[in-house]
Amino acid sequence: AQTVTQSQPEMSVQEAETVTLSCTYDTSENNYYLFWYKQPPSRQMILVIRQEAYKQQNATENRFSVNFQKAAKSFSLKISDSQLGDTAMYFCAFMKPGTYKYIFGTGTRLKVLA
Amino acid sequence: EAGVTQFPSHSVIEKGQTVTLRCDPISGHDNLYWYRRVMGKEIKFLLHFVKESKQDESGMPNNRFLAERTGGTYSTLKVQPAELEDSGVYFCASSQAAVAPWGYTFGSGTRLTVV
Repeated sequence: AQTVTQSQPEMSVQEAETVTLSCTYDTSENNYYLFWYKQPPSRQMILVIRQEAYKQQNATENRFSVNFQKAAKSFSLKISDSQLGDTAMYFCAFMKPGTYKYIFGTGTRLKVLA
Repeated sequence: EAGVTQFPSHSVIEKGQTVTLRCDPISGHDNLYWYRRVMGKEIKFLLHFVKESKQDESGMPNNRFLAERTGGTYSTLKVQPAELEDSGVYFCASSQAAVAPWGYTFGSGTRLTVV
């Protein structure tokens, strides 16, 4: 069975600084998808970034980028130039292709400080 | 387009009472999912509807939970009778295709507190 681990329950970062959220996972699959979702307080959970395991190139979406280390089963999220609006719960998730179930981690609460 | 809407946003009930959560998916999305996050733990899959049919309800905790999707539109999740361990955030999501992991839209969740 797949598992996703987020070892940082809470983190904080100063506005305009860079922060990295960690995520590790366990699977015997060779192909899969990895995701980072963000849920701001009392708002809907939205997809931040997605990575296909067969792609070696790390995904990037504006200020958000990942460091995908397949052999180490690590999938960290880097947020550059942090903004107050980045304050949220961040969830790392795994999904097998051809399925519809996410396997989520426990989440990291990120607070961006002014 | 309107997103996935969940009602209520918060609910506080006493142990033994009944609560019904509602989810309105994006119009035209045949696939609807329920997930739950118990405080401090991971978000876990509960069940999956395709239109009005339950495709997979393997994540439902026990028979106190009943999910329905009448007419393949909105869905309800009823907890009866509620127990303390049912407290958590219940998320709903919808998608057009069941196997397209980039097409899921989540709602804001319903925070349920059982006291």
